[in-house]
Amino acid sequence: GESVGLHLPTLSVQEGDNSIINCAYSNSASDYFIWYKQESGKGPQFIIDIRSNMDKRQGQRVTVLLNKTVKHLSLQIAATQPGDSAVYFCAENHPSGYSTLTFGKGTMLLVSP
Amino acid sequence: DSGVTQTPKHLITATGQRVTLRCSPRSGDLSVYWYQQSLDQGLQFLIQYYNGEERAKGNILERFSAQQFPDLHSELNLSSLELGDSALYFCASSDGLAEETQYFGPGTRLLVL
Repeated sequence: GESVGLHLPTLSVQEGDNSIINCAYSNSASDYFIWYKQESGKGPQFIIDIRSNMDKRQGQRVTVLLNKTVKHLSLQIAATQPGDSAVYFCAENHPSGYSTLTFGKGTMLLVSP
Repeated sequence: DSGVTQTPKHLITATGQRVTLRCSPRSGDLSVYWYQQSLDQGLQFLIQYYNGEERAKGNILERFSAQQFPDLHSELNLSSLELGDSALYFCASSDGLAEETQYFGPGTRLLVL
């Protein structure tokens, strides 16, 4: 989703629910995508990545889905825990060969016990 | 802990002043990236260095400059500071190859009064 000024899109879930965070990326030529988690006062932390020759990749409790047709990326978190509360960013790599990333605006995930 | 270190953690200064932020990349990483994160602009890529040389430039102001030293640590110099430069500044590092994950440091919070 898009952020407006200071307000990030927010997803509120209950502990134990599955969460889905969505991201629309901008460049159809992007060939590598990363999801980062950023907790308050900390730097972005790598969660999972996916290359453009794949449409799904699974990690521990997380799954990333890539739909190149509509330039859409999603992050699924299974059995969401309070410790998952953070801002989640998707990032796309433009194939310039230099690994520069463009970040989305972020989505805040709030998990209540 | 990503392995990327940044100093100082916090910095408070006045308009018109100059500051230097320091970053040490993960062991073995040749590439260093600088990002600015403000509330209304999200994570903005500033500049990338690879093995001592500038590789890519993003939305970096002319008042800002960076360098990477032979030991691969990097410094970001911000001069003629303005109130709007108040933000979190993150450093990230990677192998420097295309499609490689960037790992972020804890950031430096700059407040310009």
